[in-house]
Amino acid sequence: QEKLVQSGAEVRKPGTSVKISCQASGYTFTTYYIHWVRQGPGQGLEWMGWIDPSSGDTNLAQNFQGRVTMTRATSVDTAYMELNTLASDDSAVYYCARGRRNWGQVYYDFWGRGTLVTVS
Amino acid sequence: SSVLTQPPSVAVAPGQTARITCDGNNIGSQSVHWYQQKPGQAPVLVVYDDSDRPSGIPERFSGSNSRNTATLAISRVEAGDEADYYCQVYDSSSDHAVFGGGTKLTVL
Repeated sequence: QEKLVQSGAEVRKPGTSVKISCQASGYTFTTYYIHWVRQGPGQGLEWMGWIDPSSGDTNLAQNFQGRVTMTRATSVDTAYMELNTLASDDSAVYYCARGRRNWGQVYYDFWGRGTLVTVS
Repeated sequence: SSVLTQPPSVAVAPGQTARITCDGNNIGSQSVHWYQQKPGQAPVLVVYDDSDRPSGIPERFSGSNSRNTATLAISRVEAGDEADYYCQVYDSSSDHAVFGGGTKLTVL
């Protein structure tokens, strides 16, 4: 069964950093990009960026450039997302999702259960 | 980059058809994907590539896309369909995803 298992909830103080993990299982990790999406309390979905687990290449949304680092460890089929200089409005649920690419278009066929990050 | 506009809310009686729209400039030239999100849960893909359904998604869920509006239709609506629904496109030039603001479906 294909799935993405995310790390547990985190509490951080403003100005610090958080690193979230997303472990894939049930498929070949390097075949599909991992995307990160966040959702603030009562808010919609906000796309953050992706990492290619095969090459380590990343592509970040402009809002997160300079503040987010995406990495992976192929030995343990895990992607990571680190967000620096946290502020209160970074409090959100952070999801990883598997990106399926079809003729240049990408959709997310399954998601991790989310990691709640609270900045306070 | 694309801007996708969804109505904040849609309400429908059980057994009726709910239609949720996603407006975007020339969205008909892109593939649109739809997700269902219930409270406290991760999003679930319900329609991809405008009108295809993943396995396990009921035939009651269908999608269409033309010109400046994509539509998710849910026929014979049930109480269990109550959720937030998001449309999504992918900008292949920037390699970025874009989500609509979401629509809360209420089953009366």
